Amino acid sequence: ETGVTQSPTHLIKTRGQQVTLRCSSQSGHNTVSWYQQALGQGPQFIFQYYREEENGRGNFPPRFSGLQFPNYSSELNVNALELDDSALYLCASSLGGRPYEQYFGPGTRLTVT
Amino acid sequence: AQKITQTQPGMFVQEKEAVTLDCTYDTSDQSYGLFWYKQPSSGEMIFLIYQGSYDEQNATEGRYSLNFQKARKSANLVISASQLGDSAMYFCAMREGTSYDKVIFGPGTSLSVIP
Repeated sequence: ETGVTQSPTHLIKTRGQQVTLRCSSQSGHNTVSWYQQALGQGPQFIFQYYREEENGRGNFPPRFSGLQFPNYSSELNVNALELDDSALYLCASSLGGRPYEQYFGPGTRLTVT
Repeated sequence: AQKITQTQPGMFVQEKEAVTLDCTYDTSDQSYGLFWYKQPSSGEMIFLIYQGSYDEQNATEGRYSLNFQKARKSANLVISASQLGDSAMYFCAMREGTSYDKVIFGPGTSLSVIP
């Protein structure tokens, strides 16, 4: 059984640029959630995709957008990067309706300069 | 308002002793779930234990147990026989009874196990 993978591991971008982060969900999982974790804080829910549709969204602006593909992998896109977007971005996959079996990937650490 | 409160920013415990990490939550839903995750310095979030709001028995997973006190809205994590590898950040989290699997995390507690 393949776990959740994320790419890239680390990324450095300049303010104003755009970034795409990728996540491959665990085999058999149809739901992907994205979280932003600033240094020293708990993860904050960005949004969730279920069967290629956005299924819920946290308190993040529209410049945070996403996609889920037919194989249930997912992308997180952030436009017009700001310094405060520097964080660890975590992806978690689960089988819809069974959130207690939500498994996280290793994360992508984004630094915006 | 804070949905999840963890009042202990940092904790120390002697190796082989038990430790309790506190968590209180706030929800008006009848159906909800409570989680504990461990995050080592590597960054990966590791699922430890889950308690559903309707579960009558406290959840246990190996050395981890969840002390669920529903009336007090408390879901403390108890780690028995602490090991050096238990040193990490620990997050309490909650899923409310909504139509999607949004999980809300607390601010975390840093646990250090002393040899």
